[in-house]
Amino acid sequence: QKEVEQNSGPLSVPEGAIASLNCTYSDRGSQSFFWYRQYSGKSPELIMSIYSNGDKEDGRFTAQLNKASQYVSLLIRDSQPSDSATYLCAVNVTPRMDSSYKLIFGSGTRLLVRP
Amino acid sequence: KAGVTQTPRYLIKTRGQQVTLSCSPISGHRSVSWYQQTPGQGLQFLFEYFSETQRNKGNFPGRFSGRQFSNSRSEMNVSTLELGDSALYLCASSWKADSLIEAFFGQGTRLTVV
Repeated sequence: QKEVEQNSGPLSVPEGAIASLNCTYSDRGSQSFFWYRQYSGKSPELIMSIYSNGDKEDGRFTAQLNKASQYVSLLIRDSQPSDSATYLCAVNVTPRMDSSYKLIFGSGTRLLVRP
Repeated sequence: KAGVTQTPRYLIKTRGQQVTLSCSPISGHRSVSWYQQTPGQGLQFLFEYFSETQRNKGNFPGRFSGRQFSNSRSEMNVSTLELGDSALYLCASSWKADSLIEAFFGQGTRLTVV
């Protein structure tokens, strides 16, 4: 079983709609979760981090975390064509204060926003 | 504030050669981790350094190695290159090695092995 799983997509939504991206992870001890956006040919760009159960909002982005269900999601409101990219879910699988840092990535979901 | 800087941006090497890639973290960041990205395997963790010590290592052969200097700059080395080593190599830095800290990526080094 993969440690971090995402639907590869593509997820196609019309401009102005809400895009919902999902991610599940296997390590129950994981404490930190990140969403990165990667445009074709570019490096990943951090857009959201979340550590506690519930929702975290930043502009048009909302990250949701449910540790009991081992589930992380990213909502993008008012989607724009410029949001078209691959969205990578990343989980830091090292325990807190372990003095190390190891991100495990999902395979990414490709999002297409249609004008 | 300058971001994570990786050099070179592009490299073409021949099978059997060795290569060294460089990463300069964001000023003040002390944790540097390396990742390999390929179309087939996605983004995979190579290793992480903090205060010149390797703290964590991924499932890669011993041909992949790295080090970190006292100024937090890091290098990774791949010896006896294989065609399958062709990939985008990414470096990420965070200000300390704590799981609740965010990591930021450099632009990557695109390595092609022919």
